[in-house]
Amino acid sequence: AQSVAQPEDQVNVAEGNPLTVKCTYSVSGNPYLFWYVQYPNRGLQFLLKYITGDNLVKGSYGFEAEFNKSQTSFHLKKPSALVSDSALYFCAVRETGANNLFFGTGTRLTVIP
Amino acid sequence: EAQVTQNPRYLITVTGKKLTVTCSQNMNHEYMSWYRQDPGLGLRQIYYSMNVEVTDKGDVPEGYKVSRKEKRNFPLILESPSPNQTSLYFCASSFPGTGEQFFGPGTRLTVL
Repeated sequence: AQSVAQPEDQVNVAEGNPLTVKCTYSVSGNPYLFWYVQYPNRGLQFLLKYITGDNLVKGSYGFEAEFNKSQTSFHLKKPSALVSDSALYFCAVRETGANNLFFGTGTRLTVIP
Repeated sequence: EAQVTQNPRYLITVTGKKLTVTCSQNMNHEYMSWYRQDPGLGLRQIYYSMNVEVTDKGDVPEGYKVSRKEKRNFPLILESPSPNQTSLYFCASSFPGTGEQFFGPGTRLTVL
């Protein structure tokens, strides 16, 4: 069975500092991995995905994520945080050949001015 | 503009009063899905549809129904709502195989 863990409910970071939001997963076969962001009173917006290829994936708004197969992780990163990055972030996984996404419980990122 | 729309955005109702939340997408996506979002639980899938007239249960289908008579529409039906169905509901759609789902703005449902 597939599962996603986001070990931190809340991450606080100072504006201008690098940020990391952690995600680990468990899935049969090769995973398809995703990050979504949810701003207040909005739906989820796609940030980036890993399907295959380069382990470092670049996405929207300057975010990137690193796929680490041995650690079964897909951490979201950004070199310099902005106050406007404050939001709820979800990691999701999909098994090869499936269409359904399985989401983590979310991490609330707060960037402090 | 490519989008997924949901109506209503907010709904307060009483136990047992049937309701329908509509979902429509204009991207010609085959795959559509309903999720509920609850604090500390993330998003959990209720039902999904691979195409017209093809629907299947997700992780938390109890108390919900869906239909897919047209490709663009995927309504969520609560025939007898209960307070434990108070939640934030999202509809999503995608092309099969890409995995990148597009989400609607959400429907906040309160069942008294």
